[in-house]
Amino acid sequence: DAGVIQSPRHEVTEMGQEVTLRCKPISGHNSLFWYRQTMMRGLELLIYFNNNVPIDDSGMPEDRFSAKMPNASFSTLKIQPSEPRDSAVYFCASSFGAQKPQHFGDGTRLSIL
Amino acid sequence: GESVGLHLPTLSVQEGDNSIINCAYSNSASDYFIWYKQESGKGPQFIIDIRSNMDKRQGQRVTVLLNKTVKHLSLQIAATQPGDSAVYFCAEIAGGGADGLTFGKGTHLIIQP
Repeated sequence: DAGVIQSPRHEVTEMGQEVTLRCKPISGHNSLFWYRQTMMRGLELLIYFNNNVPIDDSGMPEDRFSAKMPNASFSTLKIQPSEPRDSAVYFCASSFGAQKPQHFGDGTRLSIL
Repeated sequence: GESVGLHLPTLSVQEGDNSIINCAYSNSASDYFIWYKQESGKGPQFIIDIRSNMDKRQGQRVTVLLNKTVKHLSLQIAATQPGDSAVYFCAEIAGGGADGLTFGKGTHLIIQP
């Protein structure tokens, strides 16, 4: 079975540019999560969706960050404009229902120069 | 100034020995816990979970123990193998409908030949 699929795997761009990260959750999962991992702060929840509806975006650092889930099989995390401090690995995870194991993709390693 | 990242605790064990990785959590309302394994360049991989109405759960070569009195979680890995080398994270979900995971800082497990 295909796991969570994220693209791109790596992104290097200059500050000020728009960055779009993509995620395809596991088929049948109805919860989707975006996390960020940095050396300084570890793994942190940014936002999550249940049945395509954003439930909690309190972890989104600034208005420069936005996330959408237009359908059950696709989500995007957008940063506009990007800044060097946004450099991190961004993970998407999905689960079937609340309080169930979340399965992670292999992440997007983002570098903002 | 110089940035300081998270300094992960390191546990070094001999191949074939048992490993015990510990985790303290702070939220007494947390009622679901997961252990993840993360290898370099990959996303966190689900190992085992436990709900707060249990104090022990066993999987293949792994056992999770939960002590709610002292808010402590442990992961025991039996007969460690070279492939067990990774960073291990405990994660928790608070009750009340909050579904996002709160991750611990992680422990780096090193298997000595």
